[in-house]
Amino acid sequence: DVQLLESGGGLVQPGGSLRLSCAASGFIFSRHWMNWVRQAPGKGLEWVANMNPDGIRKLYVDSVKGRFTISRDSAQSSVYLQMSSLRVEDTAVYYCVRDDQDWGQGIMVTVSS
Amino acid sequence: VVLTQSPLSLPVTLGQPASISCRSSQSLVHGDGNTYFNWYHQRPGQSPRRLIYKVSNRDSGVPDRFSGSGSVTDFTLKISRVEAEDVGVYYCMQHTHWPHTFGQGTKLEI
Repeated sequence: DVQLLESGGGLVQPGGSLRLSCAASGFIFSRHWMNWVRQAPGKGLEWVANMNPDGIRKLYVDSVKGRFTISRDSAQSSVYLQMSSLRVEDTAVYYCVRDDQDWGQGIMVTVSS
Repeated sequence: VVLTQSPLSLPVTLGQPASISCRSSQSLVHGDGNTYFNWYHQRPGQSPRRLIYKVSNRDSGVPDRFSGSGSVTDFTLKISRVEAEDVGVYYCMQHTHWPHTFGQGTKLEI
């Protein structure tokens, strides 16, 4: 079974940084797009970033460009989201998603002073 | 690409059909000929689950009472007979264009 386990969330002050990790198992990691999608409390879904299987192509939604960086480590079957210059509006549950199909359980990121 | 769902709230009776519409601000037909349009279901406190991919293909384990249809800019999710486990929020999503975008969500209540 596909498993995606996010970690690294928590409370951070505005302007701070946080690194999310997603440990993947149950599939051949190097063959799949990996993505981060977020959901602000009580709100809808927003696709944040994605990365192609070989890690060369990375795409970001405009609201996080220049602040967030997606990366992957095939040896660890993991994908990461480095978040910097965090804003209150980045507060959300962040989901790790394989292709457009399988979702992790999500990890909460709260940006507040 | 803006996806507009309707209705945003859908009260239904058990055993009755339900239908959700999703309209795109531009064509979702990719240059490779495919239409990358999905439906997801999110129960309270859970992660979203994909139900339908590429307009009309049901994911493994999805009951056949769910069906997807449509083309180009207009798409529909139908539930032939609503069951109690169908409550939650339904989202349409396109990944033909970047950034991938979701509709606002439709809350289905019994």
